[in-house]
Amino acid sequence: SQQGEEDPQALSIQEGENATMNCSYKTSINNLQWYRQNSGRGLVHLILIRSNEREKHSGRLRVTLDTSKKSSSLLITASRAADTASYFCASPFLSGTYKYIFGTGTRLKVLA
Amino acid sequence: DGGITQSPKYLFRKEGQNVTLSCEQNLNHDAMYWYRQDPGQGLRLIYYSQIVNDFQKGDIAEGYSVSREKKESFPLTVTSAQKNPTAFYLCASIGGWNTGELFFGEGSRLTVL
Repeated sequence: SQQGEEDPQALSIQEGENATMNCSYKTSINNLQWYRQNSGRGLVHLILIRSNEREKHSGRLRVTLDTSKKSSSLLITASRAADTASYFCASPFLSGTYKYIFGTGTRLKVLA
Repeated sequence: DGGITQSPKYLFRKEGQNVTLSCEQNLNHDAMYWYRQDPGQGLRLIYYSQIVNDFQKGDIAEGYSVSREKKESFPLTVTSAQKNPTAFYLCASIGGWNTGELFFGEGSRLTVL
Protein backbone atom coordinates (compact mmCIF):
# COMPACT_ATOMS: atom_id res chain seq x y z
CA SER A 1 0.00 0.00 0.00
CA GLN A 2 1.21 3.48 -0.77
CA GLN A 3 0.50 5.98 1.94
CA GLY A 4 1.24 8.99 -0.20
CA GLU A 5 0.63 9.89 -3.79
CA GLU A 6 2.73 12.71 -5.16
CA ASP A 7 1.57 14.98 -7.88
CA PRO A 8 2.85 15.65 -10.45
CA GLN A 9 4.86 12.52 -11.20
CA ALA A 10 7.34 14.60 -13.16
CA LEU A 11 8.08 18.31 -13.35
CA SER A 12 10.44 20.24 -15.59
CA ILE A 13 11.16 23.92 -14.94
CA GLN A 14 13.72 26.58 -15.73
CA GLU A 15 16.34 27.63 -13.23
CA GLY A 16 15.05 30.45 -11.04
CA GLU A 17 11.43 29.31 -11.20
CA ASN A 18 9.53 27.88 -8.26
CA ALA A 19 8.66 24.19 -8.08
CA THR A 20 5.57 22.93 -6.29
CA MET A 21 4.80 19.29 -5.64
CA ASN A 22 1.91 17.83 -3.74
CA CYS A 23 1.35 14.78 -1.59
CA SER A 24 -1.91 13.19 -0.58
CA TYR A 25 -2.09 10.56 2.15
CA LYS A 26 -4.69 8.14 3.40
CA THR A 27 -4.56 7.74 7.17
CA SER A 28 -4.40 10.09 10.14
CA ILE A 29 -0.81 11.10 10.78
CA ASN A 30 1.22 12.76 13.50
CA ASN A 31 3.88 14.01 11.15
CA LEU A 32 4.73 14.15 7.47
CA GLN A 33 8.17 14.42 6.00
CA TRP A 34 9.75 15.23 2.69
CA TYR A 35 12.86 13.56 1.32
CA ARG A 36 15.10 14.10 -1.66
CA GLN A 37 16.82 11.41 -3.72
CA ASN A 38 19.53 12.05 -6.28
CA SER A 39 19.70 9.45 -8.99
CA GLY A 40 21.05 6.13 -7.73
CA ARG A 41 21.59 7.39 -4.19
CA GLY A 42 19.94 7.07 -0.81
CA LEU A 43 17.29 9.48 0.40
CA VAL A 44 18.05 12.60 2.38
CA HIS A 45 15.64 14.13 4.86
CA LEU A 46 14.55 17.66 3.98
CA ILE A 47 11.87 18.77 6.40
CA LEU A 48 9.27 17.45 8.84
CA ILE A 49 5.92 19.02 9.61
CA ARG A 50 3.79 17.90 12.54
CA SER A 51 0.03 17.47 12.43
CA ASN A 52 -0.53 20.58 14.55
CA GLU A 53 1.50 22.75 12.16
CA ARG A 54 0.15 24.29 8.99
CA GLU A 55 3.31 25.67 7.43
CA LYS A 56 7.03 25.33 7.89
CA HIS A 57 10.06 26.90 6.24
CA SER A 58 13.64 25.79 5.82
CA GLY A 59 15.85 27.88 3.56
CA ARG A 60 14.29 27.78 0.09
CA LEU A 61 11.81 25.11 1.14
CA ARG A 62 8.26 25.76 2.26
CA VAL A 63 5.98 22.94 3.36
CA THR A 64 2.28 23.17 4.08
CA LEU A 65 -0.02 20.61 5.64
CA ASP A 66 -3.79 20.42 5.42
CA THR A 67 -4.97 17.61 7.67
CA SER A 68 -8.62 18.11 6.69
CA LYS A 69 -7.73 17.34 3.07
CA LYS A 70 -4.97 14.87 3.98
CA SER A 71 -2.53 16.70 1.77
CA SER A 72 0.81 18.44 1.90
CA SER A 73 2.78 20.53 -0.54
CA LEU A 74 6.48 21.23 -0.95
CA LEU A 75 7.55 24.48 -2.57
CA ILE A 76 11.13 25.01 -3.69
CA THR A 77 11.74 28.66 -4.46
CA ALA A 78 14.32 30.03 -6.90
CA SER A 79 15.21 26.55 -8.09
CA ARG A 80 18.72 25.61 -9.19
CA ALA A 81 20.01 22.92 -11.49
CA ALA A 82 21.34 21.17 -8.38
CA ASP A 83 17.75 20.73 -7.17
CA THR A 84 17.22 18.16 -9.92
CA ALA A 85 16.20 15.02 -8.04
CA SER A 86 13.21 12.95 -6.99
CA TYR A 87 11.18 14.15 -4.03
CA PHE A 88 9.13 11.90 -1.78
CA CYS A 89 6.71 12.43 1.06
CA ALA A 90 6.58 9.94 3.92
CA SER A 91 4.64 9.41 7.11
CA PRO A 92 3.92 6.70 9.65
CA PHE A 93 1.20 4.46 8.29
CA LEU A 94 -0.64 4.87 11.54
CA SER A 95 -0.03 7.62 14.05
CA GLY A 96 2.33 6.42 16.73
CA THR A 97 3.81 3.54 14.79
CA TYR A 98 7.20 2.86 13.29
CA LYS A 99 5.77 1.75 9.95
CA TYR A 100 6.92 4.54 7.65
CA ILE A 101 5.38 4.52 4.19
CA PHE A 102 6.56 6.56 1.22
CA GLY A 103 4.72 8.14 -1.64
CA THR A 104 5.34 7.53 -5.30
CA GLY A 105 7.60 10.56 -5.75
CA THR A 106 7.92 13.57 -8.04
CA ARG A 107 10.84 13.69 -10.46
CA LEU A 108 12.00 17.28 -10.71
CA LYS A 109 14.25 18.48 -13.49
CA VAL A 110 15.60 22.01 -13.32
CA LEU A 111 16.99 23.26 -16.62
CA ALA A 112 19.95 25.62 -16.56
CA ASP B 1 30.92 9.96 11.49
CA GLY B 2 27.61 8.30 12.32
CA GLY B 3 25.64 6.78 9.54
CA ILE B 4 24.33 3.73 7.77
CA THR B 5 26.51 1.46 5.69
CA GLN B 6 25.07 -0.87 3.09
CA SER B 7 27.07 -3.51 1.29
CA PRO B 8 27.64 -4.57 -1.34
CA LYS B 9 26.80 -1.59 -3.55
CA TYR B 10 26.32 -3.83 -6.59
CA LEU B 11 25.47 -7.50 -6.57
CA PHE B 12 24.79 -9.98 -9.31
CA ARG B 13 23.08 -13.25 -8.68
CA LYS B 14 22.00 -16.23 -10.68
CA GLU B 15 18.41 -17.34 -10.55
CA GLY B 16 17.75 -19.73 -7.69
CA GLN B 17 20.43 -18.32 -5.41
CA ASN B 18 19.85 -16.64 -2.10
CA VAL B 19 21.74 -13.43 -1.43
CA THR B 20 22.18 -11.40 1.74
CA LEU B 21 22.44 -7.63 1.81
CA SER B 22 24.18 -6.05 4.76
CA CYS B 23 23.03 -2.97 6.66
CA GLU B 24 24.96 -1.59 9.63
CA GLN B 25 24.30 1.61 11.60
CA ASN B 26 26.27 3.36 14.31
CA LEU B 27 23.59 5.92 15.14
CA ASN B 28 22.30 3.97 18.14
CA HIS B 29 18.88 3.91 16.50
CA ASP B 30 16.24 1.49 17.67
CA ALA B 31 14.28 1.05 14.44
CA MET B 32 15.59 -0.12 11.10
CA TYR B 33 13.96 -0.60 7.71
CA TRP B 34 14.37 -2.24 4.32
CA TYR B 35 12.77 -0.72 1.24
CA ARG B 36 12.72 -1.82 -2.36
CA GLN B 37 12.78 0.65 -5.22
CA ASP B 38 12.14 -0.23 -8.85
CA PRO B 39 13.23 2.07 -11.70
CA GLY B 40 11.29 5.33 -11.67
CA GLN B 41 9.15 4.15 -8.77
CA GLY B 42 8.65 4.98 -5.13
CA LEU B 43 9.85 3.02 -2.11
CA ARG B 44 8.00 -0.06 -0.96
CA LEU B 45 8.47 -1.37 2.57
CA ILE B 46 9.80 -4.93 2.85
CA TYR B 47 10.46 -5.35 6.58
CA TYR B 48 11.04 -3.15 9.57
CA SER B 49 12.31 -3.73 13.08
CA GLN B 50 11.49 -1.59 16.09
CA ILE B 51 13.83 -3.32 18.49
CA VAL B 52 16.38 -6.13 18.68
CA ASN B 53 14.95 -9.63 18.12
CA ASP B 54 11.71 -8.23 16.74
CA PHE B 55 10.64 -7.38 13.21
CA GLN B 56 7.44 -6.92 11.22
CA LYS B 57 6.48 -7.55 7.63
CA GLY B 58 5.95 -4.60 5.39
CA ASP B 59 3.87 -4.53 2.24
CA ILE B 60 6.05 -6.78 0.07
CA ALA B 61 7.72 -9.25 2.46
CA GLU B 62 7.15 -12.38 0.37
CA GLY B 63 10.44 -13.87 -0.80
CA TYR B 64 12.52 -11.93 1.72
CA SER B 65 13.78 -12.66 5.22
CA VAL B 66 15.51 -10.58 7.90
CA SER B 67 17.08 -10.92 11.31
CA ARG B 68 17.80 -8.42 14.08
CA GLU B 69 20.25 -10.02 16.47
CA LYS B 70 22.12 -6.80 17.18
CA LYS B 71 20.94 -3.22 17.43
CA GLU B 72 23.49 -2.14 14.83
CA SER B 73 22.69 -4.72 12.17
CA PHE B 74 19.65 -5.61 10.05
CA PRO B 75 20.61 -7.93 7.17
CA LEU B 76 18.15 -8.72 4.38
CA THR B 77 18.16 -12.06 2.57
CA VAL B 78 16.61 -12.18 -0.87
CA THR B 79 15.55 -15.77 -1.32
CA SER B 80 14.97 -17.79 -4.45
CA ALA B 81 11.26 -17.49 -3.70
CA GLN B 82 11.36 -13.81 -4.71
CA LYS B 83 10.24 -13.96 -8.32
CA ASN B 84 11.48 -10.58 -9.45
CA PRO B 85 14.40 -9.59 -7.21
CA THR B 86 16.21 -7.21 -9.54
CA ALA B 87 15.86 -3.83 -7.82
CA PHE B 88 17.54 -1.14 -5.75
CA TYR B 89 17.41 -1.90 -2.02
CA LEU B 90 17.57 0.81 0.61
CA CYS B 91 18.16 0.42 4.33
CA ALA B 92 17.15 3.12 6.81
CA SER B 93 16.99 3.75 10.54
CA ILE B 94 15.24 6.12 12.91
CA GLY B 95 15.78 7.03 16.55
CA GLY B 96 12.13 7.10 17.61
CA TRP B 97 8.74 6.87 15.91
CA ASN B 98 8.05 10.57 16.31
CA THR B 99 11.56 11.95 15.87
CA GLY B 100 10.92 12.11 12.18
CA GLU B 101 14.17 11.78 10.37
CA LEU B 102 14.90 8.52 8.64
CA PHE B 103 18.58 8.08 7.82
CA PHE B 104 19.29 6.12 4.66
CA GLY B 105 22.22 4.14 3.38
CA GLU B 106 23.47 4.53 -0.18
CA GLY B 107 21.64 1.46 -1.39
CA SER B 108 22.46 -1.92 -2.89
CA ARG B 109 21.63 -2.66 -6.50
CA LEU B 110 20.80 -6.32 -7.08
CA THR B 111 20.69 -7.75 -10.57
CA VAL B 112 19.56 -11.28 -11.28
CA LEU B 113 21.16 -12.78 -14.36
